[in-house]
Amino acid sequence: DVKVTQSSRYLVKRTGEKVFLECVQDMDHENMFWYRQDPGLGLRLIYFSYDVKMKEKGDIPEGYSVSREKKERFSLILESASTNQTSMYLCASSFLLQNEQFFGPGTRLTVL
Amino acid sequence: GEDVEQSLFLSVREGDSSVINCTYTDSSSTYLYWYKQEPGAGLQLLTYIFSNMDMKQDQRLTVLLNKKDKHLSLRIADTQTGDSAIYFCAEDYNAGNMLTFGGGTRLMVKP
Repeated sequence: DVKVTQSSRYLVKRTGEKVFLECVQDMDHENMFWYRQDPGLGLRLIYFSYDVKMKEKGDIPEGYSVSREKKERFSLILESASTNQTSMYLCASSFLLQNEQFFGPGTRLTVL
Repeated sequence: GEDVEQSLFLSVREGDSSVINCTYTDSSSTYLYWYKQEPGAGLQLLTYIFSNMDMKQDQRLTVLLNKKDKHLSLRIADTQTGDSAIYFCAEDYNAGNMLTFGGGTRLMVKP
């Protein structure tokens, strides 16, 4: 079975802190994705990566950056956390052709 | 741009059928998906349908696709309390490497 893991289930940070959210997948997937999930807004794509060191902006990249130094790991970085970044963050990965995305359990981030 | 819409809530009684509806705008989608999110968990792929199909059945799940109206539905037969969750439909775009998700439908199953 494909496994996507995220470093934390719950995280509380203060405004202005730098925040790292880590995601690891174990199935050699080419593509990895970061979404945020907010009530009534569904999932919104922040960034995705289609290969090591390659990244593309999604629909809401502002205030975020990403890093993909190894194929299995995709990091989401909040350079200076703000309260409007309080959300559930979901990581996903997929093979190139099938497009089925496998999701991690999510990280609920609260920024005070 | 791409837009996927779902109603926010659906409430059914245990044993009844549930029908969750979704409309989408991108007619070039190759696949359309249904994901399930249980409380406190990530998203799990339930089923998907290729865009040239009208219907797909998988045990208690039936997916219907009306491509002309850009309407997708998920029917759950004999709904159980364990089916209570948020259901997201999604369509792919950008040559299949990105998904647009609907806002999710919260299914509540009453005993």
